[in-house]
Formats: sequence, C-alpha cells, structure tokens
Amino acid sequence: EVQLVQSGAEVKKPGESLKISCKGSGYSFTSYWIGWVRQMPGKGLEWMGIIYPGDSDTRYSPSFQGQVTISADKSISTAYLQWSSLKASDTAMYYCARLSDSSSLLDAFDIWGQGTMVTVSS
Amino acid sequence: EIVLTQSPDFQSVTPKEKVTITCRASQSIGSSLHWYQQKPDQSPKLLIKYASQSISGVPSRFSGSGSGTDFTLTINSLEAEDAAAYYCHQSSSLPLTFGGGTKVEIK
Repeated sequence: EVQLVQSGAEVKKPGESLKISCKGSGYSFTSYWIGWVRQMPGKGLEWMGIIYPGDSDTRYSPSFQGQVTISADKSISTAYLQWSSLKASDTAMYYCARLSDSSSLLDAFDIWGQGTMVTVSS
Repeated sequence: EIVLTQSPDFQSVTPKEKVTITCRASQSIGSSLHWYQQKPDQSPKLLIKYASQSISGVPSRFSGSGSGTDFTLTINSLEAEDAAAYYCHQSSSLPLTFGGGTKVEIK
C-alpha cells in the first residue's frame, strides 16, 4: 500500500525550533515529488513548497520562502519540514502529499499524509 | 501567482440533489485543475484530476468539466457521506495554488 505517515502532534513555545517528518512507503520514494500544505484552524489549504527526494531539488511558495526549510533523507524515505523560530501564527495542521506523476512537479496530489498538528503557544 | 476563486463558499443541500461548485482561475491554466474532498478531521482526498479525469475508487456521481479559466465540479445525486469541504487546485505553474474551498452541508 502506498502511504505517507507523518510524525505526531507537537506543542511548542514561540521562538523554539521544530522539525516534522513524512515517511513514504509502498513506492519508489526518490521518484516522486513530495509537497507540504498548511491548513490553519478553520481555514483552507495553502501550498508551502515541494521537494524531489531523488536529488533534493526544492521549490518554495513565495509566502513561505525563508520561513521554513524543506528537506529529505532518501536513505530512510523521509521528507521534513522545519522551523528555526516558531511563531504563534504557525499554529496549524501540516500535510505532506505526493504528486501523482513521477516525471513532473506540476501535477495533482494523489497521496496525502494524515497531517501533523503544530500548536505554538506561550 | 494564479488565484483560484471558488463559489459558493457554502452550500446546504438535501440528499439526492445535484451540487455544482465552480472554480475560476485568474488566467488560463488549460486543464491543469484538480479537485479534492476534505471531510471533517480527515486529510484531503483527490477526486478529479486535469479538470475531468476520474480517479479510481471515487464514486461516479463526482464529475468535473471545464478548461481555460472556468471549471466545475458536479456531484450528481448527493449522498449524506458527501458532506465535506471541496477544494480546487491548479498545477499550471508555480506557485501551486488552491481555491478557498466550498463547504457542502447536508440538510
């Protein structure tokens, strides 16, 4: 079964750092782009960025460039989303998702992780 | 950045009714438009890709149409399990963008 399994919920204080993960299985992890999507409480979906685990080619949404870092470790089929200094406004659910076409970064997201809830509060 | 505008924001519908959700792009995106369903407390699920391509396992009452700037998701004969938020998404160019969503409630 093709799936993405994300790390568990996090509660952090403003200014703290955080790295959440997304582990792929059931397919060739290095051959498909993995994207990250934010969903703030009660709001819609926002695309943050995307990475190709095969060579770590990464693209960011202008809205998130410089605010987060996306990385991947292909040896353990895992993608990451990290913050160096969290803010209360980073409180949200974060989803990883796989693009359905292995040859393109312009495609639909066919497989989604279960989401990681990040709460930032003093 | 390509902006996607969905309408309506909210729709309350009785079972067996037909539901139509529209998504308008700020510039032409060909057929690079996809639709997702997100039920409460669940991850989004791909319903339709490239405007009208069906996805294996998705009920046939879901269909999509359109090209260029105007797209439609149709749910024929709504069922109670279809209560959810629906989002469009364009992959014509970076940054990838999503519509604001349409919440469908069952009366």
